Amino acid sequence: EAGVTQSPTHLIKTRGQQATLRCSPISGHTSVYWYQQALGLGLQFLLWYDEGEERNRGNFPPRFSGRQFPNYSSELNVNALELEDSALYLCASSLRTGNKIGEQFFGPGTRLTVL
Amino acid sequence: QQPVQSPQAVILREGEDAVINCSSSKALYSVHWYRQKHGEAPIFLMILLKGGEQKGHDKISASFNEKKQQSSLYLTASQLSYSGTYFCGTETTYSNSGYALNFGKGTSLLVTP
Repeated sequence: EAGVTQSPTHLIKTRGQQATLRCSPISGHTSVYWYQQALGLGLQFLLWYDEGEERNRGNFPPRFSGRQFPNYSSELNVNALELEDSALYLCASSLRTGNKIGEQFFGPGTRLTVL
Repeated sequence: QQPVQSPQAVILREGEDAVINCSSSKALYSVHWYRQKHGEAPIFLMILLKGGEQKGHDKISASFNEKKQQSSLYLTASQLSYSGTYFCGTETTYSNSGYALNFGKGTSLLVTP
């Protein structure tokens, strides 16, 4: 069974540009989560999508946005990139468990570097 | 709302025990534990639901004290493969629509021969 996949593996952008990161969940998983992992800050929750809807978002500015497609894959968009957006962005998927958060399976991440 | 983990880092010799603590300032619905090895994605260890339950996974177990809003991860007779960064994720009531999961900054564990 294929795991969670993310693309691209690495992304280099300059300040002010936009970045688009993609995630394909495990087959059968309807929930997708996005996390930012910056050095020393641990896993910072960004967004949670389930059944095509945004269920929750973390404490990040509106320039971080995303969506979930009918096939449950997801896209994270970061507009007006800033230097501090440089981080590893992890996507995770899980089975739908009502309003609760289930066991999450993480992808390998996208390393975003903002110059 | 990020839970606080302690210690930040610990070094063990193979066979020694360790305890990693996770505490929250908010009432918790559940606690999730993950381990991340360097350069790899986090891997799920266990979820503990409110009710003060304990869980075990090989020689790794955890407890959840709902009243104290704390969880502890116990690693007994540590093995070299236990090395990595351990994250606790605390699930708190967000709104009528669902819950939020917030991870701590992690505890770096190194097991040496």
